[in-house]
Amino acid sequence: AQKITQTQPGMFVQEKEAVTLDCTYDTSDQSYGLFWYKQPSSGEMIFLIYQGSYDEQNATEGRYSLNFQKARKSANLVISASQLGDSAMYFCAMREGRDDKIIFGKGTRLHILP
Amino acid sequence: DGGITQSPKYLFRKEGQNVTLSCEQNLNHDAMYWYRQDPGQGLRLIYYSQIVNDFQKGDIAEGYSVSREKKESFPLTVTSAQKNPTAFYLCASSIDLGGLGEQFFGPGTRLTVL
Repeated sequence: AQKITQTQPGMFVQEKEAVTLDCTYDTSDQSYGLFWYKQPSSGEMIFLIYQGSYDEQNATEGRYSLNFQKARKSANLVISASQLGDSAMYFCAMREGRDDKIIFGKGTRLHILP
Repeated sequence: DGGITQSPKYLFRKEGQNVTLSCEQNLNHDAMYWYRQDPGQGLRLIYYSQIVNDFQKGDIAEGYSVSREKKESFPLTVTSAQKNPTAFYLCASSIDLGGLGEQFFGPGTRLTVL
């Protein structure tokens, strides 16, 4: 079974609109971390935001916020006021407390339209 | 500047040849990782190392080998046993061995086997 599921292979969003990228995860651990990475066409992986399983508040970093719903095992990324430069692949990932590996989802390709 | 370097950015090899991809980090991170990414796909873990002179297989280790003789270096050798080596290879590191910190990525090496 997949541990990280991103159900949106691709999305098109108008510039300046907010966008939500979906991510659900599967773990039996109580302690885990959730991550979002951005991968532009150049290929590098850029860390965006992190949410710990014990964090009570949703993580925010500038225009990025993570909508963490623990009971639903959901960790959606919200980008406010999207920009053309936000066009990229976005990956959700999880690190379980008992493991040193980070598991990545298959990604969502986001296209911002002018 | 601290970071992770991978060289070269593009690499071409003939079928049947072994090739070694370099990865160096000056972040003083203990853990290092190698991922493979195919077009339109997520990242798959090849090998990872938690400490010098020790490493573990990831999900797709067959046809690859690694070494970790120094903390800052984690080279990956793609052997002739790897049946489909053409891919984008990403190296990453993280600060701790069992915590929940994020991974930092290098710029990647795009390997094409002719």
